[in-house]
Amino acid sequence: GAGVSQTPSNKVTEKGKYVELRCDPISGHTALYWYRQSLGQGPEFLIYFQGTGAADDSGLPNDRFFAVRPEGSVSTLKIQRTERGDSAVYLCASSLGLGEETQYFGPGTRLLVL
Amino acid sequence: SQQGEEDPQALSIQEGENATMNCSYKTSINNLQWYRQNSGRGLVHLILIRSNEREKHSGRLRVTLDTSKKSSSLLITASRAADTASYFCATDRNSGNTPLVFGKGTRLSVIA
Repeated sequence: GAGVSQTPSNKVTEKGKYVELRCDPISGHTALYWYRQSLGQGPEFLIYFQGTGAADDSGLPNDRFFAVRPEGSVSTLKIQRTERGDSAVYLCASSLGLGEETQYFGPGTRLLVL
Repeated sequence: SQQGEEDPQALSIQEGENATMNCSYKTSINNLQWYRQNSGRGLVHLILIRSNEREKHSGRLRVTLDTSKKSSSLLITASRAADTASYFCATDRNSGNTPLVFGKGTRLSVIA
């Protein structure tokens, strides 16, 4: 079956611009997670959805970052007024959400802010 | 902040040798997972071990967990060049669906 997909694969933008990153989870998975990975580091948690609601957004670094999941499936991570420090790989993962701990990751979006 | 710390940071071995990677963490967990990542992109889930388990096997992988020492190890036996990747341990914070907390990873190079 299809895994987690993310678009775009790569995104180059200029400082100050707005970007949207999309995640399409595995069908039937109610839990969705966003992580950010900088070079040489492990992924760091940003936000977690259970269904349509953000169950935990404690990892969002500041109010320039926002994510939505309006229908409980596809999610969009939105970054306003991008900064060079936002450059990283943004990873999305999903899980069944019924006490199922295994998270399945997408290929990520590599964001480069010039 | 990252809870897990993998050791070593980098490991280079010959094909056919065994590779052992260690992970330490700080707080109580419900389970610990190991993931593999090629070329800095998506992570592939390898194995999950629960806090009440001490050892688990999956193919050429063997994972141990010592909750008293807050540590885990991943052993890859009879390594292959295709095992070259970064390996991360990840722990949960609470029960059920929670974000994972990753270490910095071990970069494994298997030389043919």
